[in-house]
Amino acid sequence: AQSVTQPDIHITVSEGASLELRCNYSYGATPYLFWYVQSPGQGLQLLLKYFSGDTLVQGIKGFEAEFKRSQSSFNLRKPSVHWSDAAEYFCAVGASNQAGTALIFGKGTTLSVSS
Amino acid sequence: NAGVTQTPKFQVLKTGQSMTLQCAQDMNHNSMYWYRQDPGMGLRLIYYSASEGTTDKGEVPNGYNVSRLNKREFSLRLESAAPSQTSVYFCASSMGQGAPRAEAFFGQGTRLTVV
Repeated sequence: AQSVTQPDIHITVSEGASLELRCNYSYGATPYLFWYVQSPGQGLQLLLKYFSGDTLVQGIKGFEAEFKRSQSSFNLRKPSVHWSDAAEYFCAVGASNQAGTALIFGKGTTLSVSS
Repeated sequence: NAGVTQTPKFQVLKTGQSMTLQCAQDMNHNSMYWYRQDPGMGLRLIYYSASEGTTDKGEVPNGYNVSRLNKREFSLRLESAAPSQTSVYFCASSMGQGAPRAEAFFGQGTRLTVV
């Protein structure tokens, strides 16, 4: 069955430091992969997505992610974190069957930013 | 530019009461979804509708029913609410099956409390 694992429940990073959030997926075919961000009390906003091609994808707000098929990973990175990046981050895989395609989400990683 | 609109935003129900959560999208998307979000559990798929006239169960369908009223609207019904259904409910839509149509756009959520 398709699944997404985000090993880190909570991460604290100093403002200006680099960030890497981990994501591992389990999916038999070529995956469609996504990172979403959720600020408190808000809906989910797409940060970036990978469908095919270049394995390093750029997103909004200075985020990037690298798809590594050999490691079944799609880790999110940012070179320098800002206080406004404090939020919950979700990795998701697009899972398809004969009925359609739906996103399967990981349990999320909460990012805190310290000054 | 409304996107995905959910009503109501907040609701308190007594155990055994029924209610319907409404969702409408104005992006001419084919597929629509209902997720629930619980602390530490990420987003879990309740039901989805790949296209108008079709619905399919997700990971946690028990206790819920859905109706794809037309291409724009997808409602979620709780026939007899239970405290275990206390959650934040998100509606989402996407263009449809397969990349890059799988990107989901989310509403702002409905916070439901069952007492």
